[in-house]
Amino acid sequence: DAKTTQPPSMDCAEGRAANLPCNHSTISGNEYVYWYRQIHSQGPQYIIHGLKNNETNEMASLIITEDRKSSTLILPHATLRDTAVYYCIVRVEGGTASKLTFGTGTRLQVTL
Amino acid sequence: DAGVIQSPRHEVTEMGQEVTLRCKPISGHNSLFWYRQTMMRGLELLIYFNNNVPIDDSGMPEDRFSAKMPNASFSTLKIQPSEPRDSAVYFCASSLRRRAGNTIYFGEGSWLTVV
Repeated sequence: DAKTTQPPSMDCAEGRAANLPCNHSTISGNEYVYWYRQIHSQGPQYIIHGLKNNETNEMASLIITEDRKSSTLILPHATLRDTAVYYCIVRVEGGTASKLTFGTGTRLQVTL
Repeated sequence: DAGVIQSPRHEVTEMGQEVTLRCKPISGHNSLFWYRQTMMRGLELLIYFNNNVPIDDSGMPEDRFSAKMPNASFSTLKIQPSEPRDSAVYFCASSLRRRAGNTIYFGEGSWLTVV
């Protein structure tokens, strides 16, 4: 799976949009971009994933650049409960290589 | 949906004792993963199964660790004998493996302390 690079930490004011960047410059054509988060003392939680089109769900939006070398996870209105470590992961779909390999992620602190 | 269920949630044991962690994946899922998380090493994949068959156990640290999946609804991770450096949070996860878009769902973890 391609390596990803994320900033170690970010701050965001409650109610504002949180934009979390991820660099995956060595991504292959068949690799998806996945985002997970881990709130303290809990298991990792799936947020969103995409291949090349932008995606949106009830939790967040995922913006993938046209060359697919980077992406941004957007939490449109961050709340204190969004304080967590956010992991950007790229992985191949299908076949036997279906595992997730976690990096160190971005620790997002949402403040009042 | 009950999600991935792990037991025990917390365990404290003495060095040398056998530890068995249990996992019930989400019903209908055909892939199961065991991860370990420590402050020093982060989240590491230990082993994963597809259709109850171990596919990749390269993350299992040593022979003291073993994992089984006797059927589609149950898996165990065993440590024998346990050592203090095995203290960590152990996560089980499951997914429905398809051609594309197989999201992995995690349990709440088993917190292991070996003293």
